Order: sequence, then C-alpha cells, then structure tokens
Amino acid sequence: GAGVSQSPSNKVTEKGKDVELRCDPISGHTALYWYRQSLGQGLEFLIYFQGNSAPDKSGLPSDRFSAERTGGSVSTLTIQRTQQEDSAVYLCASSSLAGSTQYFGPGTRLTVL
Amino acid sequence: AQSVTQLDSQVPVFEEAPVELRCNYSSSVSVYLFWYVQYPNQGLQLLLKYLSGSTLVKGINGFEAEFNKSQTSFHLRKPSVHISDTAEYFCAVSDPMDSSYKLIFGSGTRLLVRP
Repeated sequence: GAGVSQSPSNKVTEKGKDVELRCDPISGHTALYWYRQSLGQGLEFLIYFQGNSAPDKSGLPSDRFSAERTGGSVSTLTIQRTQQEDSAVYLCASSSLAGSTQYFGPGTRLTVL
Repeated sequence: AQSVTQLDSQVPVFEEAPVELRCNYSSSVSVYLFWYVQYPNQGLQLLLKYLSGSTLVKGINGFEAEFNKSQTSFHLRKPSVHISDTAEYFCAVSDPMDSSYKLIFGSGTRLLVRP
C-alpha cells in the first residue's frame, strides 16, 4: 500500500516568508509525528497528533511553528516568518496507534535564503 | 529526559567484513529501542526494534542488535556487509511512560562500505 507522502519535496523561500509543509499519513494510521533533521541539531521531535486528542507540542522550537491535522488524516506544518536556522529536512511519520512502528515519509527539504 | 549517544560519526569498512555500530542510551526503568537506516535522499526505514523479551533482536537485511540493560547499550551488528549497506544509521529510544512514544534519536553513524 501507499506509504507516508510529503509535499513539496523541496521548498526554497526567503527569510521572513511563511511556509506550509504537508503530510499525508498511511491510511488508517491514527498517530502522526513531525520531526526535523538539521545539521546542527540532528533529528528532533516537533509535534505529535493522536486521533482527536490534544497534540503534544513539546518539541516545537518557537511560536513561529504550528501544525494542524484535519479530519484525523492530512497534517500541515506551518512556519511563520522563516529564519535561516529553520533550514532543515522536515520528516513526517505515522503509526497505526501510539507505540507501534513509525513509518517515515521522504521529507521536505526547506531552504531559507 | 532520555538521550542517545552514537559515539562513531563514521565507520568505514570493507565489503564482506563484519561491522558493529555502537549505541548507548541514558538509563531508565524501561525503554523501547530502535535502529533506523536512511539512504541518501530518502526517509527513515526501520531496521529492528526492541520492546521486551529476548535481548537479541533480528531485523531486516541481515542486521541484528543486542539489548544490554546493565551497560545501557543497543549495538547494531552485521556479520558481512555489502556495498548497498552504505547509509546513515540512527539509534533511537522512546519512553513507554510517555503517551506519545516520540522517538529520541542519536546523532547518527555513517556506514561507508568500500569494495
């Protein structure tokens, strides 16, 4: 079956602009995660959604970052007023339920000029 | 908070030689442990995981890992590597007491297999 998909695969933006990154999880997966992979910080957790529960936002680095998950499926990560340090690969993962194997998408490479 | 240490940033090895990639985690009452592989320009793929039970875990592509609670280690091994094993390998831990089961990753080890 289809895996986790993310779009766009690459995004180049100018400092100060807002960006939206999209994640389509595996159908039927109730848990969805966003991670960020950067040279300076490695792989780090950003946010977690489980069904209709309140998300775990403990990994978001600043209030410029937000995410939502509509209808328990597609998720959008929004970064407002992008900064150069936001340049990274943003990875999305989903699992059938919290605690089961997380399946990762190919990521979105964000470059902030 | 949990943390993961991968001491080797890069491991060069000749094809068909054995390899061990080291992973240590901060102590906790219980942990779930994972190894993921990332090929160039791709996402992460699960190699194997330890949740409970037998301390020797076998995964895909001939990899295995051993959970050692006393040494808080979860080293990854393969008896004979192939060129195609060249990739970045990440060790990760999650806390069963954390309802999100979010993954905490190590810094990664780049395995470079030479002919």
